[in-house]
Amino acid sequence: GQQLNQSPQSMFIQEGEDVSMNCTSSSIFNTWLWYKQDPGEGPVLLIALYKAGELTSNGRLTAQFGITRKDSFLNISASIPSDVGIYFCAGNYGGSQGNLIFGKGTKLSVKP
Amino acid sequence: EADIYQTPRYLVIGTGKKITLECSQTMGHDKMYWYQQDPGMELHLIHYSYGVNSTEKGDLSSESTVSRIRTEHFPLTLESARPSHTSQYLCASRRGTDSPLHFGNGTRLTVT
Repeated sequence: GQQLNQSPQSMFIQEGEDVSMNCTSSSIFNTWLWYKQDPGEGPVLLIALYKAGELTSNGRLTAQFGITRKDSFLNISASIPSDVGIYFCAGNYGGSQGNLIFGKGTKLSVKP
Repeated sequence: EADIYQTPRYLVIGTGKKITLECSQTMGHDKMYWYQQDPGMELHLIHYSYGVNSTEKGDLSSESTVSRIRTEHFPLTLESARPSHTSQYLCASRRGTDSPLHFGNGTRLTVT
């Protein structure tokens, strides 16, 4: 079946550092989504990407839809303590009903 | 901001009890989903629905059942809860096949 490989699994960084995480697959996706989940809460959508090559920013966050449609990355610039959480990528591989699969998440810890 | 609501937020029950986790959305989304997630871990799709009277099992085998009698309502029922059902249950919805998922805040279930 379809699989997304999300890396790294976890990151421990100093406040102010930039962060980069990515998702790759052997399959082609129509849509890439990036979510952030705080402890005890549901995931919240950060960025949605709909076209190959698309580069989209949301404040300090930037995400890109890979040209091959098989990968995506998320960058966070100048990290702050409230960036702590788990970041999930998700890919939609279409079909008549639409099918969405999630990566296993990147756990981000920020040291003040 | 997504309008999807889950109740209860937290639930502690004894083994063998029947429970229903409620999920409602006011966005008129046709597609709704239930995910099971252990703290800090990946999301597992357990049920989904593409519209009224449509329900399907997800990738992770689950002893729960769902119903979709109204567009806005997608309850999940456990006929006889067991300690292995202890987890967080997340409900989500979306409009189209390539649209992002909107998540509720989850129900944290503990079965003693």
